[in-house]
Amino acid sequence: DTAVSQTPKYLVTQMGNDKSIKCEQNLGHDTMYWYKQDSKKFLKIMFSYNNKELIINETVPNRFSPKSPDKAHLNLHINSLELGDSAVYFCASSQGTGNYGYTFGSGTRLTVV
Amino acid sequence: GNSVTQMEGPVTLSEEAFLTINCTYTATGYPSLFWYVQYPGEGLQLLLKATKADDKGSNKGFEATYRKETTSFHLEKGSVQVSDSAVYFCARRVNAGNMLTFGGGTRLMVKP
Repeated sequence: DTAVSQTPKYLVTQMGNDKSIKCEQNLGHDTMYWYKQDSKKFLKIMFSYNNKELIINETVPNRFSPKSPDKAHLNLHINSLELGDSAVYFCASSQGTGNYGYTFGSGTRLTVV
Repeated sequence: GNSVTQMEGPVTLSEEAFLTINCTYTATGYPSLFWYVQYPGEGLQLLLKATKADDKGSNKGFEATYRKETTSFHLEKGSVQVSDSAVYFCARRVNAGNMLTFGGGTRLMVKP
C-alpha cells in the first residue's frame, strides 16, 4: 500500500564504498525526485526525472548517478562514498511537471564511517 | 533568486496555545506555495498549499494565506496539540520541472 517506498531505510557503510538506494512509487506519477536532507534538516534537490528522462540535475558531485528504468522507479547510486555524504535521502514523486505537490518516501538514513 | 526563509526554531508552546510560523519567499512571478510537515522518522507530508495571491490554504486546523504584498505565507493554528510536534517546512514552486525550494524547517514542540 505504500505510495513511495525507499530501500533500505538505514544504510551504514565505510568511506570509499559504492552503494545504491532504491525508490518505487505506485501512484502512477510521471515525475520523481531525489532530495538530500542534512543534519540541520535543510532539504536540497538533487535530481528530477520525468517519464524516465532527466530534467533537473543540480550541482551534485558526479559520484552520484540516478537511474530510472521506468517511470515508477528512480534509483540513486553513489560511488566512492565520503563522510560528507552522510544524510537522509528522500525520494518523492508528483503527477507531472506542472503545479503539483509531492508525495515523499520515508527516507533513507545514510551514515558513512 | 528562488529562496524561502523561515523563522528558526525550535518553537516551544503549551497545548492549546496559538501558533505562528513565519515564512517569506523571494518573488519572481507568483509561485505556488506549500507547507509540509515532517513527523519524527518519517518523510514530509503535504499540509496545505495556495496557488495564487490571497488564496488561503487550510488543513487539520492549520491555515496560511498567500500575501503578495509582503511575499509571505505564514502558518497559523489557533490551538496546538501535543500531536502537532514536528518539523514544518515552507516551500515554493520553481517553474522548471515542478521543483520545490524548501525553507530550512522549523521545529515545533508542544508540551502538555
